[in-house]
Amino acid sequence: RKEVEQDPGPFNVPEGATVAFNCTYSNSASQSFFWYRQDCRKEPKLLMSVYSSGNEDGRFTAQLNRASQYISLLIRDSKLSDSATYLCVVITGYSSASKIIFGSGTRLSIRP
Amino acid sequence: EAGVAQSPRYKIIEKRQSVAFWCNPISGHATLYWYQQILGQGPKLLIQFQNNGVVDDSQLPKDRFSAERLKGVDSTLKIQPAKLEDSAVYLCASSKGLAGDPYNEQFFGPGTRLTVL
Repeated sequence: RKEVEQDPGPFNVPEGATVAFNCTYSNSASQSFFWYRQDCRKEPKLLMSVYSSGNEDGRFTAQLNRASQYISLLIRDSKLSDSATYLCVVITGYSSASKIIFGSGTRLSIRP
Repeated sequence: EAGVAQSPRYKIIEKRQSVAFWCNPISGHATLYWYQQILGQGPKLLIQFQNNGVVDDSQLPKDRFSAERLKGVDSTLKIQPAKLEDSAVYLCASSKGLAGDPYNEQFFGPGTRLTVL
């Protein structure tokens, strides 16, 4: 089993739809979680951190489920500009003892 | 604020040749990371520096890859000799804080796209 797994997609949804995807992780000791966005042939950019209590930023909501060991990203009222690959990042440990793992990404395509 | 700079942007070499990539992180960022991203996959951490010390190089193929961060600022990643499977985008990132901090955002450079023929 991979340490961090994402559904590769592609998710193809109409503009204005709500879409959600998950990222599962295997190490129950993991403590830091992030969602990054990567446009085609560009570098990843931070979308949002994922906090234990869940967090929202405009149309985006991130949640953490420690019991089932997954994080989720919900996008409401999707825009054409949301088309991208969404990478989850799971970090276990701190500083020199940290292990950083990126998921393989979920491709999202928003159609007009 | 200037972002993370990387050069070259593209490199084509033949197998068994050597290649080096350069990264200049955001000023003041203590932590620097090198990632390898193969097409269709997420970035894979190769090495992490805190200032000029290596804190994690467990996934760096040390028989052919080497990296250094002189004076805790710029960094170079070298591959010698290159193999076909090294074809990938090499991303450099930097962050103000330490890996594991839930508020520690990594800022990525544009990457170097390496093709090994």
